[in-house]
Amino acid sequence: DGGITQSPKYLFRKEGQNVTLSCEQNLNHDAMYWYRQDPGQGLRLIYYSQIVNDFQKGDIAEGYSVSREKKESFPLTVTSAQKNPTAFYLCASREAGGYRGAEQFFGPGTRLTVL
Amino acid sequence: QKEVEQNSGPLSVPEGAIASLNCTYSDRGSQSFFWYRQYSGKSPELIMFIYSNGDKEDGRFTAQLNKASQYVSLLIRDSQPSDSATYLCAVNWLVFGQGTRLTINP
Repeated sequence: DGGITQSPKYLFRKEGQNVTLSCEQNLNHDAMYWYRQDPGQGLRLIYYSQIVNDFQKGDIAEGYSVSREKKESFPLTVTSAQKNPTAFYLCASREAGGYRGAEQFFGPGTRLTVL
Repeated sequence: QKEVEQNSGPLSVPEGAIASLNCTYSDRGSQSFFWYRQYSGKSPELIMFIYSNGDKEDGRFTAQLNKASQYVSLLIRDSQPSDSATYLCAVNWLVFGQGTRLTINP
């Protein structure tokens, strides 16, 4: 089965802790994305990567970090510097290149709650 | 900052009627436009994409793009209760609108 997996589904963090959200895809996609969604809101871009060992900040990158050491993996670390991290986190991937209609596939999401 | 604006709703439509969802965007150089459906607590799923001016039809769904007016819309014909969801407009895979909550009333 091809797709995107995210783990864990639910994550609880104490204030001051760093946590890492996993995102893995076996679709052979070059581009991967992390979004944050707050209740009743749309998706906001945290980071994206179009190729291994390269990534760009999105609109709300402060307090987050990523790595892209392998094509299939794009983990997101929520650091203690992120003041309000409770949210639904979505990972996505798509084929890169020039096709303007390339579909973006989403993982099932991780719901992070700060205690 | 590049922005995508949607009416957050809720939009209530009778079953069998046409639902019309609208989206405007600020970046005139935008090339690719997407409509996603998102059920509560789930991840978004792609409904339509469009990148040329005009209309694009797929079953009960029609996407309309007007680059001069920086406007993209989604029409849902013969609306069904299962169409009740939040609809997200996205531009270039990077910027999403806040979503429009649509309710289809039986």
